Amino acid sequence: QQQVKQSPQSLIVQKGGISIINCAYENTAFDYFPWYQQFPGKGPALLIAIRPDVSEKKEGRFTISFNKSAKQFSLHIMDSQPGDSATYFCAPQIGYQKVTFGTGTKLQVIP
Amino acid sequence: GAVVSQHPSWVICKSGTSVKIECRSLDFQATTMFWYRQFPKQSLMLMATSNEGSKATYEQGVEKDKFLINHASLTLSTLTVTSAHPEDSSFYICSAWTPGVNEQFFGPGTRLTVL
Repeated sequence: QQQVKQSPQSLIVQKGGISIINCAYENTAFDYFPWYQQFPGKGPALLIAIRPDVSEKKEGRFTISFNKSAKQFSLHIMDSQPGDSATYFCAPQIGYQKVTFGTGTKLQVIP
Repeated sequence: GAVVSQHPSWVICKSGTSVKIECRSLDFQATTMFWYRQFPKQSLMLMATSNEGSKATYEQGVEKDKFLINHASLTLSTLTVTSAHPEDSSFYICSAWTPGVNEQFFGPGTRLTVL
């Protein structure tokens, strides 16, 4: 069964806009919450990650918001650029071993 | 730092043949390496976990006799797809982990096409 669900499946945002991707999980044992960015034909690359004792983390244009009680976390991309067009995966994990990738969200940023 | 490479980046083979994919950690020693499979427009699914010098641990539903994994050194793991069939065509991605960090570092992937 799919433990990690993302929404939306796909997203089109205009350049300069805000992209928001949500991730819902079931397993309360997850203890680290990363987001990965994947371009076509490439492996995923870590974008930003958060620990469960923090509700928000910002790195440049990227922000993670974490809601432990709701078992949800989201990725916000401010001032979205065409170069941000990629597929984004949330991938909560238990320790370093058990990484569970979400269903993925394809983001397209149009000029 | 923390660069992981894969070779080859793409491979085409005939049905029934075996294919070997290499995963190398270039600038760190990887205690543990992971192999994932990704079908088009789908998520990454973990196939197996391997610790250097030990037998790999396979996820449920992954045939260990078909997907042979060797992790003979701290910088190299190999995945051999034996008797490949068209349904094995996929994007295979490895990742590596070293003590002291939370994240796995992912390779660029290998596109396997079985004709």
